[in-house]
Amino acid sequence: RKEVEQDPGPFNVPEGATVAFNCTYSNSASQSFFWYRQDCRKEPKLLMSVYSSGNEDGRFTAQLNRASQYISLLIRDSKLSDSATYLCAVRTGGGNKLTFGTGTQLKVEL
Amino acid sequence: DAGVIQSPRHEVTEMGQEVTLRCKPISGHNSLFWYRQTMMRGLELLIYFNNNVPIDDSGMPEDRFSAKMPNASFSTLKIQPSEPRDSAVYFCASSFNGKNYGYTFGSGTRLTVV
Repeated sequence: RKEVEQDPGPFNVPEGATVAFNCTYSNSASQSFFWYRQDCRKEPKLLMSVYSSGNEDGRFTAQLNRASQYISLLIRDSKLSDSATYLCAVRTGGGNKLTFGTGTQLKVEL
Repeated sequence: DAGVIQSPRHEVTEMGQEVTLRCKPISGHNSLFWYRQTMMRGLELLIYFNNNVPIDDSGMPEDRFSAKMPNASFSTLKIQPSEPRDSAVYFCASSFNGKNYGYTFGSGTRLTVV
């Protein structure tokens, strides 16, 4: 089993829709979690950290479910500009190493 | 802040040649990471440094790959000799050392070995 797994998609949604992605992780000792956004032929950019109690940043909501070992990203009122690949990242152990999922592709359409 | 700076942006080289990728981390960040991204395998960590010291190089695929960080503001990743299967995008990232910090990535080096 991979350390971090994501559904590759693509998720094709109409503008204005709500869409959610999950990311599962295998190590129950994982300590910190992040969502990144990557545009085509660009570098990943940090979108948001994921806190234990869940957190929101505008139209984006991140949640952590430790019991089932997954994190989620919810995007409300999707915009065309949200089209990108969304990568989850998990830090496990005492080091500073992040393990990334392979990403979920989102396409927001008119 | 100029962000993480990588050079070159693109590199095309012939099989067997030496390739050197360069990275300047964000000033004040004390962790530096080299990742490789391909369609098949996604983002893979090759090596990372804390305070210029290599901490985990378990992702370095072969002895053909080596990385150095002679000071806090510069790191290199070298491939010698290069092979076509090394073709990928190589990202450098930096961060503060601590579990609550995410990384900032450079814009990457797109390497093609022919």
